[in-house]
Amino acid sequence: GEDVEQSLFLSVREGDSSVINCTYTDSSSTYLYWYKQEPGAGLQLLTYIFSNMDMKQDQRLTVLLNKKDKHLSLRIADTQTGDSAIYFCADIMEYGNKLVFGAGTILRVKS
Amino acid sequence: DTEVTQTPKHLVMGMTNKKSLKCEQHMGHRAMYWYKQKAKKPPELMFVYSYEKLSINESVPSRFSPECPNSSLLNLHLHALQPEDSALYLCASSQDSTGRNQPQHFGDGTRLSIL
Repeated sequence: GEDVEQSLFLSVREGDSSVINCTYTDSSSTYLYWYKQEPGAGLQLLTYIFSNMDMKQDQRLTVLLNKKDKHLSLRIADTQTGDSAIYFCADIMEYGNKLVFGAGTILRVKS
Repeated sequence: DTEVTQTPKHLVMGMTNKKSLKCEQHMGHRAMYWYKQKAKKPPELMFVYSYEKLSINESVPSRFSPECPNSSLLNLHLHALQPEDSALYLCASSQDSTGRNQPQHFGDGTRLSIL
């Protein structure tokens, strides 16, 4: 079945850029998503990218997709303490619109 | 603020109790989902409703019983739960469940503790 993997932990200083990486196995993936989860909260949809795109930028967020290597990354520019959270990448299975999540990357921002 | 509203935010119940979790969305979405999330783990899909019909049950024990009274509401009825069922239960919705780009929007969840 489909598998999505992420690095588990990232620590950065406030003002630096953060890069969270994700790999997936399904070569027929159409859309890939990034969700943010703050403590005690649900999942917030941050952004998504269609598989025929290489890059998508949305304010401080940049998503890069290397479809050949099945590698996805999320770059957060000028990282703030409010960006501290768990970030999940997710692939979508067309059947039933089922999301397959990575294990989540804990981002810690030090001031 | 989330556009998917879940109640209650917290629930503590004994193993013999019967309770229900509720989820509501007013985005006109026709697909709704229940997920279970344990601490520091990703969400695990439990059920998918599409156009008010159950389309996916991920082999969830029968002590969890979903219900979709209308296109805006989704309930999860709980009965005779076990301590290992303690978790954050998340509801999500999407335009529909027929593939293409259907991002799912999540509520803030109900934190359930079983005594």
